[in-house]
Amino acid sequence: DTEVTQTPKHLVMGMTNKKSLKCEQHMGHRAMYWYKQKAKKPPELMFVYSYEKLSINESVPSRFSPECPNSSLLNLHLHALQPEDSALYLCASSQAREGLAARRWDEQYFGPGTRLTVT
Amino acid sequence: GENVEQHPSTLSVQEGDSAVIKCTYSDSASNYFPWYKQELGKGPQLIIDIRSNVGEKKDQRIAVTLNKTAKHFSLHITETQPEDSAVYFCAASRLTGGGNKLTFGTGTQLKVEL
Repeated sequence: DTEVTQTPKHLVMGMTNKKSLKCEQHMGHRAMYWYKQKAKKPPELMFVYSYEKLSINESVPSRFSPECPNSSLLNLHLHALQPEDSALYLCASSQAREGLAARRWDEQYFGPGTRLTVT
Repeated sequence: GENVEQHPSTLSVQEGDSAVIKCTYSDSASNYFPWYKQELGKGPQLIIDIRSNVGEKKDQRIAVTLNKTAKHFSLHITETQPEDSAVYFCAASRLTGGGNKLTFGTGTQLKVEL
């Protein structure tokens, strides 16, 4: 099973609201990712968590705050967003492969996304 | 950083024909090249991938080829069907301990006509 689930499917929020996006996987994957995708564009990486620790932050504004409470869950907390933040937010996960010399990461599987509209 | 170019941006084929999508990458250290299919309103679905130690990989009607010297990789779909219609993204990454940081191409809208 290669399922990543995301809730909610759709979210409409005002610029003064605080909301959270949730992502869950039960594949035992130890890397989890947040991407942002605008219409007719490829996904853009926002954050990477490796073994529940933030390993990559692609210079994302602080109004986006990620959290990885455990190895199966990933949250994205949203506060004071702008209309241009409206997009499809995708979560993904990948398995760690422990090699002789170093750890490497395997295939990355995406969830269905949360369609966010900021009004 | 890595830069991935993808062509064509749109591709229309008749059902049963073959479709080919091509990508080039810039970072010679990239060693992992997945292809994703994204249908309208859905997340990207991994359909096939190839690592730099392999030149070709096939899975039923789908195949991917990699030319490391030229930094090219391509997706080949044979006997296309209407359900193959979607946006296809290529990607490249250097698998590291910090995670699988994918750089995507700009996407190809494939339309399979009856």
